[in-house]
Amino acid sequence: QKEVEQDPGPLSVPEGAIVSLNCTYSNSAFQYFMWYRQYSRKGPELLMYTYSSGNKEDGRFTAQVDKSSKYISLFIRDSQPSDSATYLCAMWAGNMLTFGGGTRLMVKP
Amino acid sequence: SAVISQKPSRDICQRGTSLTIQCQVDSQVTMMFWYRQQPGQSLTLIATANQGSEATYESGFVIDKFPISRPNLTFSTLTVSNMSPEDSSIYLCSVGTGLNEQYFGPGTRLTVT
Repeated sequence: QKEVEQDPGPLSVPEGAIVSLNCTYSNSAFQYFMWYRQYSRKGPELLMYTYSSGNKEDGRFTAQVDKSSKYISLFIRDSQPSDSATYLCAMWAGNMLTFGGGTRLMVKP
Repeated sequence: SAVISQKPSRDICQRGTSLTIQCQVDSQVTMMFWYRQQPGQSLTLIATANQGSEATYESGFVIDKFPISRPNLTFSTLTVSNMSPEDSSIYLCSVGTGLNEQYFGPGTRLTVT
C-alpha cells in the first residue's frame, strides 16, 4: 500500500464547476500538507500549504485537512480552462516530502 | 522565489550510456533535491545535495547509479549511469528553504532505447 493515494483521473469538468480533488494517507506522522499544480512539461508549483486540520482558503482555492480520517482535499471554485493541469498532493513527516501520484484535471470551456 | 533551469530539457539515449543533467538556480541555496517522476507515477526523491558534503541518497537509489555533484550554492548535476529503459523518466531538480518555499525546475525528459 502506498503511503499517499490519489485518484489519477482524468477528471473532466465544464468551466465554472466546483472541483474536488482528494488524497488519503496512511502515515500518522505526516504533519504538513501541500498541493502542487503541474502544467504539461513544467515542474510542480506550490499552490497551498496547511498544517492543522480544518480549512484554508486562497482565492478560488480551498485546502481541507481531516487528520482523524487521514484525508485531504483541494476545492477549486469557478474552475477555468487555465486550471487544467495535474494536481499533486504532498505531505511532510520531518525529513522529506511524499507525493501522491497526481490527478489530471481538464476544465472544458 | 527561485528560478531554476535544467539542461537538457529532453534527451533520447541508448542503453548502457550515461547522461549528466545540469541544474542552475538564480540564487544561492543550501539544499538541492533531485526527484524522479516516472510516467503516471508520483515524484520520488532520489537524493539531497548539500554544498560541500556528500549527497544523501534515499532507499532504492545508489551513488554508483546516480552520482551527484554540488560544486557551489547555485549549481548541481545528476548523472544517470549505465542507463536501461527502466530509467526512462522525468528528472526534476528542486530547491527549498522551507516547506512553503519549495521550487522545482522544468524537468529533464529522458528516454532510453
